[in-house]
Amino acid sequence: DSGVTQTPKHLITATGQRVTLRCSPRSGDLSVYWYQQSLDQGLQFLIQYYNGEERAKGNILERFSAQQFPDLHSELNLSSLELGDSALYFCASSGPAGAQETQYFGPGTRLLVL
Amino acid sequence: GIQVEQSPPDLILQEGANSTLRCNFSDSVNNLQWFHQNPWGQLINLFYIPSGTKQNGRLSATTVATERYSLLYISSSQTTDSGVYFCAVEEDSSYKLIFGSGTRLLVRP
Repeated sequence: DSGVTQTPKHLITATGQRVTLRCSPRSGDLSVYWYQQSLDQGLQFLIQYYNGEERAKGNILERFSAQQFPDLHSELNLSSLELGDSALYFCASSGPAGAQETQYFGPGTRLLVL
Repeated sequence: GIQVEQSPPDLILQEGANSTLRCNFSDSVNNLQWFHQNPWGQLINLFYIPSGTKQNGRLSATTVATERYSLLYISSSQTTDSGVYFCAVEEDSSYKLIFGSGTRLLVRP
């Protein structure tokens, strides 16, 4: 158990809908990262938050947004869902530095868009 | 951006055999991690190893940063070692991990 929790574990929804994925980092970690794992693109970095502020952005679609709350949990919002958004979404967290540190991954949320 | 290549892409072993997985990267890195993704999809941290050598039980890893590669050794493999092994690197101060495409390992009883 990495100490990173994600909910829900599974999500099935329809095209055009909006969903919210939730992540709680390990106790004491300030950084939260979101990654997407799909069959065709592999594991890709989406976005990082550090102590409530966006710090780095990767290949995140405009239909996707995220935020980190004062209690350091984070949410990833996916809207206008398409079939191609079906993937495993991981949250990771790391300690105070936010870089050059071990990133610990949660169990993931498996999203299926029908 | 930085490129991460893993080899071999697939590996089949008999239980008890040893193996070496390789990760090559195209630029200097601050962070290098090895992960095992089990059949249930969970990503398990194996090593944080931007340089040097570490050992944990039957697993060990070596990163030669100056030559831009890392090796993961699995000794006396067990069926529970099956899954996909990923190498991931962080470019200088980029904060994001760039993953290789993985090595899919199957250990047969």
